[in-house]
Amino acid sequence: DAMVIQNPRYQVTQFGKPVTLSCSQTLNHNVMYWYQQKSSQAPKLLFHYYDKDFNNEADTPDNFQSRRPNTSFCFLDIRSPGLGDAAMYLCATSRDEGGYSPLHFGNGTRLTVT
Amino acid sequence: GESVGLHLPTLSVQEGDNSIINCAYSNSASDYFIWYKQESGKGPQFIIDIRSNMDKRQGQRVTVLLNKTVKHLSLQIAATQPGDSAVYFCAENIWHGSSNTGKLIFGQGTTLQVKP
Repeated sequence: DAMVIQNPRYQVTQFGKPVTLSCSQTLNHNVMYWYQQKSSQAPKLLFHYYDKDFNNEADTPDNFQSRRPNTSFCFLDIRSPGLGDAAMYLCATSRDEGGYSPLHFGNGTRLTVT
Repeated sequence: GESVGLHLPTLSVQEGDNSIINCAYSNSASDYFIWYKQESGKGPQFIIDIRSNMDKRQGQRVTVLLNKTVKHLSLQIAATQPGDSAVYFCAENIWHGSSNTGKLIFGQGTTLQVKP
């Protein structure tokens, strides 16, 4: 049973053309995360939501934005994708247990920029 | 087989042998650690976790050891099987005070190859 669902699995966009990746969850977790994972590298945290509170990582480019309209859904917007933004984008959720709850990941969206 | 050091990218073991994957973490204040398994084309999958008030925790065929003195974490897999072939990541939880929750920072992965 899929609990963190990312759509689409594969996304191709053109250089500079805005793109949105989506994530939904059936776990009712209040924390949602977006990670970027480039080939043969570890996932890198971009930002996270604690309920509706948005928390950006200091080194996340302004080109990356996020929206969380409700508990179940979270979106990653890339305003002007560059070739360097080609990567796997992973969404994850966790319960609020003071930081002692594992993250549950979706299977990611692989973004190609042409 | 055993990986040594944080940046050894690949560990190759014989099916049925035990595997040891090592990881050094960076933040002495980190108090929660997780091992993830990532298969090709999939998201990371939770294997086992450990809090800093413990030094050992066992699961099914897996054991995590934590040495806070040297900031070292290891994952032991008993009787390694072909289905264990994947990339393994350690992750440390860093408290994010302004959001009152933790955020997980991943170390570099180790690719485990199981030879039949």
